[in-house]
Amino acid sequence: QVQLVQSGAEVKKPGASVRVSCEASGYSFSGYYVHWVRQAPGQGPEWMGWINPDRGGTNYAQKFQGRVTMTRDPSISTAYMELARLRSDDTAVYYCVRESRTWALDYWGQGTLVTVSS
Amino acid sequence: EIVLTQSPGTLSLSPGERATLSCRASQSVSSYLAWYQQKPGQAPRLLIYGASSRATGIPDRFSGSGSGTDFTLTISRLEPEDFAVYYCQQYGSSPRTFGQGTKVEIK
Repeated sequence: QVQLVQSGAEVKKPGASVRVSCEASGYSFSGYYVHWVRQAPGQGPEWMGWINPDRGGTNYAQKFQGRVTMTRDPSISTAYMELARLRSDDTAVYYCVRESRTWALDYWGQGTLVTVSS
Repeated sequence: EIVLTQSPGTLSLSPGERATLSCRASQSVSSYLAWYQQKPGQAPRLLIYGASSRATGIPDRFSGSGSGTDFTLTISRLEPEDFAVYYCQQYGSSPRTFGQGTKVEIK
């Protein structure tokens, strides 16, 4: 079965960077885009961008341009999201999500809580 | 950026009742709209894609309709496990945006 397993919770200080990993299994990793979506406490989801695991191409939401970097390692079926210059309002649960053949987001990771606090 | 406005913010209903949720887009997204269900402490779950197609394993009491700018998610008879928050999302243009959610709570 399709699974996306993310790395564990992180606590970071303002100004630091965080990298979240997402290991895929149960399908061909290179065949489906991986998106990153975050959700701040009590808020709705917020789309951050996607990566094409096959060729590595990316598309980031303008809000995160210059601060986010999405990469992948096809040899271990893992995608990564790194967010730099963290602020307190970056505190959120970060999800990796597979894009289906019909472009909706069909399989979600369990989420990684990133807390930014001094 | 396309803004999605969901209404109502909260829907208070009893099990067995019909739920009708609305999602309005600030500009046309054609049929590139999905609905997700989220329960506390869980990731969202895909219910509907392409405005009206049910995702794998989704019961037929869930249905979606609409195109362009106005969309509806209908739950024909609420089951206890359907009380949750529902989000719409458009994927017709970048950035892909979500609505702010409708909470369906037990009356």
